[in-house]
Amino acid sequence: AQSVAQPEDQVNVAEGNPLTVKCTYSVSGNPYLFWYVQYPNRGLQFLLKYITGDNLVKGSYGFEAEFNKSQTSFHLKKPSALVSDSALYFCAVRVPTGGGNKLTFGTGTQLKVEL
Amino acid sequence: DGGITQSPKYLFRKEGQNVTLSCEQNLNHDAMYWYRQDPGQGLRLIYYSQIVNDFQKGDIAEGYSVSREKKESFPLTVTSAQKNPTAFYLCASSVGTKAGAKNIQYFGAGTRLSVL
Repeated sequence: AQSVAQPEDQVNVAEGNPLTVKCTYSVSGNPYLFWYVQYPNRGLQFLLKYITGDNLVKGSYGFEAEFNKSQTSFHLKKPSALVSDSALYFCAVRVPTGGGNKLTFGTGTQLKVEL
Repeated sequence: DGGITQSPKYLFRKEGQNVTLSCEQNLNHDAMYWYRQDPGQGLRLIYYSQIVNDFQKGDIAEGYSVSREKKESFPLTVTSAQKNPTAFYLCASSVGTKAGAKNIQYFGAGTRLSVL
């Protein structure tokens, strides 16, 4: 069975500082990995995905994520945080074959960016 | 949230009552999904449908039912058998059943269900 772990319930960072939101995964086979962001009382918005190719993936709003196969990680990063980045972030994994495109989500990490 | 409309935004259920949450998409997507979100638990899959007139149970289907009579619509009924229905419900859709690179799930704005 596939699973995703987001070890930090909350991450606090000062505006202008780099941010990292951690994600590790467990799947049989090669994974498809995703990051989504959720603002209060809203649905999830797609940020970026890793399918294959370059380990560093760039996405929306200046976010990027680094795929590390040996560490089974897919950490979300941004060089300079903004207060408007404050939101709930979800990592998700999908197996590329079978499974009906089902995503397995982590429990989410609340990012708080302060002035 | 564009392209996927969930209604109502807020819904209240009385004990013993069935309620239906609406999900409509105009993205011409074949696949649709229902998730339940509880604080600290992430999203859990309730049901999904890969094509019209077909659907499968997800991880927490007990107490819920769905139908997929039209491509653009995937309503979720929370039945009286669901003893703890209070949650935020999210509907999603994606291009199709093949797990290709373009098969991203897009989400609606959600419905918050509470028990009176």
